[in-house]
Amino acid sequence: GQQLNQSPQSMFIQEGEDVSMNCTSSSIFNTWLWYKQDPGEGPVLLIALYKAGELTSNGRLTAQFGITRKDSFLNISASIPSDVGIYFCAGPYYGQGGKLIFGQGTELSVKP
Amino acid sequence: DAGVIQSPRHEVTEMGQEVTLRCKPISGHDYLFWYRQTMMRGLELLIYFNNNVPIDDSGMPEDRFSAKMPNASFSTLKIQPSEPRDSAVYFCASSLGQTGYTFGSGTRLTVV
Repeated sequence: GQQLNQSPQSMFIQEGEDVSMNCTSSSIFNTWLWYKQDPGEGPVLLIALYKAGELTSNGRLTAQFGITRKDSFLNISASIPSDVGIYFCAGPYYGQGGKLIFGQGTELSVKP
Repeated sequence: DAGVIQSPRHEVTEMGQEVTLRCKPISGHDYLFWYRQTMMRGLELLIYFNNNVPIDDSGMPEDRFSAKMPNASFSTLKIQPSEPRDSAVYFCASSLGQTGYTFGSGTRLTVV
């Protein structure tokens, strides 16, 4: 079945460093979504990608929809302590309406 | 809009007791989803509704779990009888069409 694999599983970085994480699948996705979950809260949508090759930014965050449609990347520039949390990629199950599948998440820790 | 509202935020119950989790989706959203999050299994989709009708309940663990959506502004997830392995954070999310979800803050369930 469809699966999303995220890497790395966790990252420990220094404040000010850039961060890169990715999400891959053996299946093609027509939409890629990136969410962030703060401790004790639900995931919040950061960026949505709808077209292969698309590069979209949201402040210090930049995400790309891979050309093969089987991967996506999220970059965070000049990290700050409030970037701490779990980042999830997600995509719609093929032919199943609004149902989303989520990756396992990348847990980011930022040292001041 | 107040977002997706879940109650209670925390629930501690004894094994064998009935537990009811509640969700109020964003007004106008036509999809509602129930997810469970654990360290071991990540975010798992339990069931989702479209226009108050259950579409896919294949993720519901077993007959002890049931979900209802009597109207467009309210849904419940019930566990009867509860077991320690049901301990997790349960999220409700809603969306308009197949756009990205908005999650609630979750209910942290502990079954002792």
